Amino acid sequence: AQSVAQPEDQVNVAEGNPLTVKCTYSVSGNPYLFWYVQYPNRGLQFLLKYITGDNLVKGSYGFEAEFNKSQTSFHLKKPSALVSDSALYFCAVRDMDTGGFKTIFGAGTRLFVKA
Amino acid sequence: DTAVSQTPKYLVTQMGNDKSIKCEQNLGHDTMYWYKQDSKKFLKIMFSYNNKELIINETVPNRFSPKSPDKAHLNLHINSLELGDSAVYFCASSLGQGSGNTEAFFGQGTRLTVV
Repeated sequence: AQSVAQPEDQVNVAEGNPLTVKCTYSVSGNPYLFWYVQYPNRGLQFLLKYITGDNLVKGSYGFEAEFNKSQTSFHLKKPSALVSDSALYFCAVRDMDTGGFKTIFGAGTRLFVKA
Repeated sequence: DTAVSQTPKYLVTQMGNDKSIKCEQNLGHDTMYWYKQDSKKFLKIMFSYNNKELIINETVPNRFSPKSPDKAHLNLHINSLELGDSAVYFCASSLGQGSGNTEAFFGQGTRLTVV
């Protein structure tokens, strides 16, 4: 069965510092990995995805993620955090065992960026 | 134009009532979903539809009945509402789901409160 884990409930970082939000995955076959962000009282917004190719994926709002097959990780990163990055971040994997019609989300990591 | 729109945004109702949530997408996508987000922000898929056909029913009680009159609409009807149904329900859509590599677009959510 496919799964993702986000080991941190919350990440705190000062504005201007680099941030990392961690995600590990477990899949059978090739992983299709995604990051989404949720601002308060809003739906999820797509940030970036890894399907194949370069291990460093660039996405929206200056975010990037590094796919590491040996460590089965897909950590979200940003070189310089902004207060406006404070939100709930979800890592997700597409469940190809069900034909790709189901996405499994991690429990979410709340990011606080302090000014 | 809103890509994925849900109505209503808020729904407060008494136990035992029947209610519906409507969802429409104008992205031309062929796959639509309903997700439930509980009070701890866990996000879980409920249903997945492709070209109006039910593909995934994630062990959701029979009181929940989705209906897709066409590819652009996926409505959710809930019978005999229970306190435990209180949550935020998100509609989403994506394109070409079978390949696994497409991201989902989410609606703003419907906050359902059962009293």
